[in-house]
Amino acid sequence: QVHLEESGPGLVKPSQTLSLNCTVSGGSINSGAYHWSWIRQAPGQGLEWIGYIHYSGWSHSNPSLESRVTLSLDTSKNQVFLKLKSVTAADTAVYYCAREAPSDYDFGPQDFWGPGTLVTVSS
Amino acid sequence: EIVLTQSPGTLSLSPGERATLSCRASRRASSAYLAWYQQKPGQAPRLLIYGPSGRATGVPDRFSGSGSGTDFTLTISRLEPEDFAVYYCQQYGSSPPSFGQGTKVEVK
Repeated sequence: QVHLEESGPGLVKPSQTLSLNCTVSGGSINSGAYHWSWIRQAPGQGLEWIGYIHYSGWSHSNPSLESRVTLSLDTSKNQVFLKLKSVTAADTAVYYCAREAPSDYDFGPQDFWGPGTLVTVSS
Repeated sequence: EIVLTQSPGTLSLSPGERATLSCRASRRASSAYLAWYQQKPGQAPRLLIYGPSGRATGVPDRFSGSGSGTDFTLTISRLEPEDFAVYYCQQYGSSPPSFGQGTKVEVK
C-alpha cells in the first residue's frame, strides 16, 4: 500500500516561496507508470490541480500557476517537491500530494493521497 | 479549461435512500476520463470511480458512475451512514485536469 505524507512550513510570508516535500513509502517513485501530483484546497473551497511530475523529470503544471510553480523530485529519497513562488493570501490552502494512476491520456485520477498540510500565507 | 458544475450543492437524504449527484461539463468531456471522489471532514479525498465505470479498490458496488458528453452522474444506490460526505467530480481528459465545486450529502 502506497503512503504519501506532505511536510513543510505551515506559515509563509507574502511574496516569499512556499516549499513542500512529499515523502512516498510503500512504493518507488521510480515506477514509470505513475505521475506524482500536487493538488490544493483553499479553506472551505474545492480542489485545484497544481501539476504533476514523472520520475524522468518531466512535469506539467496548471497554466494558472505555471509561472510560479517548480516541481522536482529526489529518487534516492523517494521524495517529491513543490515550490510556489511569490505567494499571496490567495495561496492559503491545504496542499495534497497524490499518486496519479496511469491512463491512456496525459493525465489520470489520483488514487492515493497524502493527508494534506495546511499552508497559511500571512505576515 | 473545462469547468465542471455540480448539482445540487447540498443533498439532504436519509440512510437507505438513493442519492443521485450531477456533474455538468462546460464542453464535451469523455466519460473515459471522468472520476468521482469522496471527502470527509479533515480528510483527503478518496477516489471512488474512474473512467466510464471503474470502481477504485475497496469501493462498494453501491457506488456507480454514468453519463456522457457533458452530463455525468454519481449514484449511491442505498446510502449507508459512512456515505454522508462531500463528493467531487473530476475530468482528466483535457488540460488542465479540473474538479467540480462539490456536492455535500447530508443526513436529513
